[in-house]
Amino acid sequence: DAGVTQSPTHLIKTRGQQVTLRCSPKSGHDTVSWYQQALGQGPQFIFQYYEEEERQRGNFPDRFSGHQFPNYSSELNVNALLLGDSALYLCASSWGQNVNYGYTFGSGTRLTVV
Amino acid sequence: TQLLEQSPQFLSIQEGENLTVYCNSSSVFSSLQWYRQEPGEGPVLLVTVVTGGEVKKLKRLTFQFGDARKDSSLHITAAQPGDTGLYLCAGEYGNKLVFGAGTILRVKS
Repeated sequence: DAGVTQSPTHLIKTRGQQVTLRCSPKSGHDTVSWYQQALGQGPQFIFQYYEEEERQRGNFPDRFSGHQFPNYSSELNVNALLLGDSALYLCASSWGQNVNYGYTFGSGTRLTVV
Repeated sequence: TQLLEQSPQFLSIQEGENLTVYCNSSSVFSSLQWYRQEPGEGPVLLVTVVTGGEVKKLKRLTFQFGDARKDSSLHITAAQPGDTGLYLCAGEYGNKLVFGAGTILRVKS
């Protein structure tokens, strides 16, 4: 049973560019949450998608946007990249917005902005 | 504002020692989770505690949820080098999971 799959694993972009990160949730999960994690820090919540809609949003600017597809997969888009956007971007899937069962995380996409 | 405060931030111990990691908040959580993360990987769920005062044991790991459901602790007995990693506590807040900053544990052989 495949867990959460994220692509690409690593990415290098130039300041000002745009990037799209992709996530396939664990089989049976319908909710996808995105997190940004700086080195040695805890993940910071970006937003959550359920039933193809953004349900929750953390304290991130509008440069961060997303989408969820009918098959529950999701994309995270970041426009006008800044050096400070360099981080590990984690996708987590869960069932029905119920966090009590825990999240299943992917291995993340390491984004470096130069 | 950090909803969950973890301490210590960094812990370096010898193999065989015991340790405790703390997770505190001024907010009440309906549930609290502990994750372990290794370099280059995503966090992996260790345990979920739901009831105030609850204690759960996973082999050498003991997790406790405070009576008021505002704090939690993780105790590791006889730490091993394989326990090395970033330990994260996370609480449900408004139907989403919010994380503490984590405790980096290094166990030296």
